[in-house]
Amino acid sequence: DAGVIQSPRHEVTEMGQEVTLRCKPISGHNSLFWYRQTMMRGLELLIYFNNNVPIDDSGMPEDRFSAKMPNASFSTLKIQPSEPRDSAVYFCASSPPTGAPNQPQHFGDGTRLSIL
Amino acid sequence: AQSVTQPDIHITVSEGASLELRCNYSYGATPYLFWYVQSPGQGLQLLLKYFSGDTLVQGIKGFEAEFKRSQSSFNLRKPSVHWSDAAEYFCAVASYNNNDMRFGAGTRLTVKP
Repeated sequence: DAGVIQSPRHEVTEMGQEVTLRCKPISGHNSLFWYRQTMMRGLELLIYFNNNVPIDDSGMPEDRFSAKMPNASFSTLKIQPSEPRDSAVYFCASSPPTGAPNQPQHFGDGTRLSIL
Repeated sequence: AQSVTQPDIHITVSEGASLELRCNYSYGATPYLFWYVQSPGQGLQLLLKYFSGDTLVQGIKGFEAEFKRSQSSFNLRKPSVHWSDAAEYFCAVASYNNNDMRFGAGTRLTVKP
């Protein structure tokens, strides 16, 4: 079975540019999560969706960050304009429908983002 | 809100030695607890989880963890470490619906030959 698929795996761009990270969750999963991982702050939840609807975006650092989930099989995390402090590894995770509490989150391999 | 503390940032053990990674959680209700492992350049892989029942849970790769409510702990153990176990390990706690999972800062495991 295909896991969570993220693209690109690596992204290097100059500050001020728009960056778009993509995620395809596992089929049948209806919750999707975006995390950011840095040495200083560890693993932080940015936003999560349930049935394509954003439920909690309190972890989004500022207005330069936005996330969408237009359908059950695709989500994007966009940074515009990007800044060097946005450099991190960004993970997407998905989990099956709520009401099944014994189902953990499944993680993609991440996108390593470097802003020069 | 729930939180997790992993007191050890880095642990080094010899191959074949036993391992225990510590995890303490804070949560007002019944916690749902997880251990994940992250190899370099990879995402997080679930090792094991605890929701209820037997407080000693078995996971993949020979790992186990014990839930101790009185100590608010969920320590990860392995009787004999292999070189391939070198990675970063994350403890996490979530509410029942799994949508507000909080991770610890992680413990990096180095295995000496």
